Amino acid sequence: DVKVTQSSRYLVKRTGEKVFLECVQDMDHENMFWYRQDPGLGLRLIYFSYDVKMKEKGDIPEGYSVSREKKERFSLILESASTNQTSMYLCASSFPTGEQEQYFGPGTRLTVT
Amino acid sequence: AQKVTQAQTEISVVEKEDVTLDCVYETRDTTYYLFWYKQPPSGELVFLIRRNSFDEQNEISGRYSWNFQKSTSSFNFTITASQVVDSAVYFCALSEAGSGYSTLTFGKGTMLLVSP
Repeated sequence: DVKVTQSSRYLVKRTGEKVFLECVQDMDHENMFWYRQDPGLGLRLIYFSYDVKMKEKGDIPEGYSVSREKKERFSLILESASTNQTSMYLCASSFPTGEQEQYFGPGTRLTVT
Repeated sequence: AQKVTQAQTEISVVEKEDVTLDCVYETRDTTYYLFWYKQPPSGELVFLIRRNSFDEQNEISGRYSWNFQKSTSSFNFTITASQVVDSAVYFCALSEAGSGYSTLTFGKGTMLLVSP
């Protein structure tokens, strides 16, 4: 069974804090993704990575950075959290070709106060 | 650029009713893949089905069926005899082979509420 885990289900941070969201997958997938989900907006891609140390911007990368030092781990970093980054963050992984489905983690609900 | 539209924001039905969730997509690629995902209240997206652009055969899996029509750029999802456990947000998504990566473009989702 494919397993994608995220470090926290719920997180509360203060404005200006540096926030790390961690994602680990156990299926040796090349691709990993970070999305944010907001009511009425669906899922929007923040960043993705197709190999270790490789990353590509998604649709809404502003205010975020990512790190992939090992194949199984993909971190999303909020350098200075702001209230408009309060959201549900979803991590996913997949094999590299377009027909491959993505497997999702349970999500992290981040609240920035 | 690719786009996925799920015009129905929310649908409410009573148990045992049939319900169809609409999905319309836009793409310039000739090779692409369409997906449906289910997000129950627990939050984790669950993969339901994948269709490639060369396979217009409809598919049935138990109470679920999918109708793919390239002529109308639609990939609709029907639940027959709905049950309370079907209550969830359903997402339609598109992946283009030409993008070089397996990135997905999601629709905004349809929330389905099935009442007993």
